[in-house]
Amino acid sequence: GENVEQHPSTLSVQEGDSAVIKCTYSDSASNYFPWYKQELGKRPQLIIDIRSNVGEKKDQRIAVTLNKTAKHFSLHITETQPEDSAVYFCAGGSGYSTLTFGKGTMLLVSP
Amino acid sequence: ETGVTQTPRHLVMGMTNKKSLKCEQHLGHNAMYWYKQSAKKPLELMFVYSLEERVENNSVPSRFSPECPNSSHLFLHLHTLQPEDSALYLCASSQTSGTGEKLFFGSGTQLSVL
Repeated sequence: GENVEQHPSTLSVQEGDSAVIKCTYSDSASNYFPWYKQELGKRPQLIIDIRSNVGEKKDQRIAVTLNKTAKHFSLHITETQPEDSAVYFCAGGSGYSTLTFGKGTMLLVSP
Repeated sequence: ETGVTQTPRHLVMGMTNKKSLKCEQHLGHNAMYWYKQSAKKPLELMFVYSLEERVENNSVPSRFSPECPNSSHLFLHLHTLQPEDSALYLCASSQTSGTGEKLFFGSGTQLSVL
């Protein structure tokens, strides 16, 4: 089965800095890589996703990159704001029953 | 509001109790999921119902029993749980497309087993 590793487990940045969270996966058959944000006490919400036929995807201050050869993908947040503080989860899979999550990264953005 | 509603929000139960968690989705999706979220661990898929097919994680103990009477409702029946089952139980739904599933989560049930 798929194994997804996520680093770092905690990331502290100053407001306005960039933040990068990295994930690796093991199953070359995985073709879908979403990122979820979970604020304290709230439900996880999808913020961006990427499929294996694309190398990069952007949505305003958020971008995700995918390197299929190296089996890793990353989340990039630019111009961080305090409201970006949350736990971010990466995941990888190839179908509705195969999505495997990473352990999460707690991002703390200090004003 | 994501359209996925879970009840109850909090549940405290003894190891000999029987209780059920309920989930309802109003998004017209055709797949529903139960996930377990424990501190410092990845979200763990427990069960999936999609197009009347059930997929389960073989590592989930039999003291957890899912039920999906229709595409909008999902239950998780609990009996003789252990303290290590204390966790946040999240329900999710999606529209299966075969190319990647966007999950819509409920707010979860925080379960404490005494």
